[in-house]
Amino acid sequence: GEDVEQSLFLSVREGDSSVINCTYTDSSSTYLYWYKQEPGAGLQLLTYIFSNMDMKQDQRLTVLLNKKDKHLSLRIADTQTGDSAIYFCFGEYGNKLVFGAGTILRVKS
Amino acid sequence: NAGVTQTPKFRILKIGQSMTLQCAQDMNHNYMYWYRQDPGMGLKLIYYSVGAGITDKGEVPNGYNVSRSTTEDFPLRLELAAPSQTSVYFCASSYSEGEQYFGPGTRLTVL
Repeated sequence: GEDVEQSLFLSVREGDSSVINCTYTDSSSTYLYWYKQEPGAGLQLLTYIFSNMDMKQDQRLTVLLNKKDKHLSLRIADTQTGDSAIYFCFGEYGNKLVFGAGTILRVKS
Repeated sequence: NAGVTQTPKFRILKIGQSMTLQCAQDMNHNYMYWYRQDPGMGLKLIYYSVGAGITDKGEVPNGYNVSRSTTEDFPLRLELAAPSQTSVYFCASSYSEGEQYFGPGTRLTVL
């Protein structure tokens, strides 16, 4: 079945770049998404990429999709303390919606 | 727009009690969803609805029921609460498949 895996924890210094990775087993998802969850809050859509794209850039965010390796990554440039949160990758497979377990990003000032 | 709202924010239940988690959206979205989030497990889909009067099971529907009598509301019912249902519950909505807007969550503890 469909499965999405993420690394659990990432720690970076303020101003550095962060790269959060996600691997998936099923490549049939039309869209792949990144969500952000701040402490005590709900999930917020950050960005998404269509499955026929390799890269999408949105201000400080860059999404890379390697369909051959079934690998999705989110790069945050100039990481700020306000970026500290849990980041979830998410794919749609027909009526089944699959989230990764989330990566905790900690930004040290 | 208030977006997606959920009540209550927190609740403690005893084993065997029942309760309804409320979810409402004011964006006229057709699709609504209920998820539970357990630590290290990611989000799991419980039930979803593609429009008023239509509901479908997700990945983990056992122990829950839903109804969708209006476009705006999508309540989640727990009939006989069990400790395994201790979790954070998120409601979400979307215009169609794809971008989902999430509520702030309900933290439920069953003792």
